[in-house]
Amino acid sequence: GAGVSQSPRYKVAKRGQDVALRCDPISGHVSLFWYQQALGQGPEFLTYFQNEAQLDKSGLPSDRFFAERPEGSVSTLKIQRTQQEDSAVYLCASSLAGNAKNIQYFGAGTRLSVL
Amino acid sequence: GESVGLHLPTLSVQEGDNSIINCAYSNSASDYFIWYKQESGKGPQFIIDIRSNMDKRQGQRVTVLLNKTVKHLSLQIAATQPGDSAVYFCAENPASIPTFGRGTSLIVHP
Repeated sequence: GAGVSQSPRYKVAKRGQDVALRCDPISGHVSLFWYQQALGQGPEFLTYFQNEAQLDKSGLPSDRFFAERPEGSVSTLKIQRTQQEDSAVYLCASSLAGNAKNIQYFGAGTRLSVL
Repeated sequence: GESVGLHLPTLSVQEGDNSIINCAYSNSASDYFIWYKQESGKGPQFIIDIRSNMDKRQGQRVTVLLNKTVKHLSLQIAATQPGDSAVYFCAENPASIPTFGRGTSLIVHP
């Protein structure tokens, strides 16, 4: 079956540009997570949705980062006025049930490079 | 602060050998642990999980051991194959959000 799909796979942005990263979770999955992964590091939690509700956004590094999941399915992570330190791989994961103690299925990520 | 960490950043083994990847955790409230495998250019893939009421759990060619006394987790891979080459992460779920360690790169030599 289809897994978690992220687009674009690669994004190059000029400093100050706004970007939008898309995540299509596995159909029927309640929970959706966004992570940021710097080179050589483990994924760092950004935000978590249960259906359309954003239950935790404590990991978002600044108010330039915004995520939404308006219909409880597709999610978009938006970064405004990108900075070089935003360069990383952004991973999306979904899980079937409404808590994180269920297997998370990850997408391949979007590699963002800010020049 | 409390964090998940890994003892060795890189582990090199010969094909056919057994591999052991270690992970230390410091949050005593953690009651659920997961091992993920991440191949280059891909997202992490679930390997095996274990709850704190267990000491050992076995999967296909993989075994996870949990020592709550010393807050240590290990992943054992039997008969390591070239396809096992990847970065392995342990993650702990003390509440609802998983916390990942830095990762160990496993390199399998033919």
